[in-house]
Amino acid sequence: DIQMTQSPSSVSASVGDRVTITCRASQTIDNFLNWYQQKPGKAPKFLIFSASSLQSGVPSRFSGSGSGTDFTLTIASLQPEDSAIYYCQQSYSTPLTFGGGTKVEIK
Amino acid sequence: QVQLVQSGAEVKKPGASVKVSCKTSGYSFTGYYLHWVRQAPGQGLEWMGWINPKSGGTRYAPKFQGRVSMTRDTPINTAFLDVSGLRPDDTAVYYCARAVEERYYDAVYWGQGTLVTVSS
Repeated sequence: DIQMTQSPSSVSASVGDRVTITCRASQTIDNFLNWYQQKPGKAPKFLIFSASSLQSGVPSRFSGSGSGTDFTLTIASLQPEDSAIYYCQQSYSTPLTFGGGTKVEIK
Repeated sequence: QVQLVQSGAEVKKPGASVKVSCKTSGYSFTGYYLHWVRQAPGQGLEWMGWINPKSGGTRYAPKFQGRVSMTRDTPINTAFLDVSGLRPDDTAVYYCARAVEERYYDAVYWGQGTLVTVSS
């Protein structure tokens, strides 16, 4: 199985700050990397696919980059509604696997 | 619009089985893969497998092989997840999620989740 490792496990930042989350795969996955946002008590929301493509309707302050084994999710200017847990997921091969999540909190 | 509506919460005893349904609407049911993902309380997301609603073909995560079954009923646009031999650590919210064309492994549209509690 491909292991996905996210860091940090949590981050606290102020409104307007730039926030970066990293995700590392245990083997190369090309650009088969998705990002999800999950708020308490809700289903995950699909944010980014193919490492860097923004899902329709997702604010442009979210962006993704990377290929191979190292990926990043960046929130360019953190907003209060961005408080959530973010997960990466490899879509390269089954079993599909998720990172452990990064909790983003607002200071 | 695409909608996935799941069945209600369940409480089961260890060793029992549970069947969770995922009723879809707003699109062609047979056109897109459906995934099942679970989340234990306070934990991360865990992929269980997918079903191709058109053919009924399935792929399960090795961890769940032999203990889960994913089926569908195409006339009612509904997919089902059966989990047998329930254990307390199967307590989780179970989600169905739909993929998109040509990106079979992307869980784009999600159901609201079904809480399954396993307790004696």
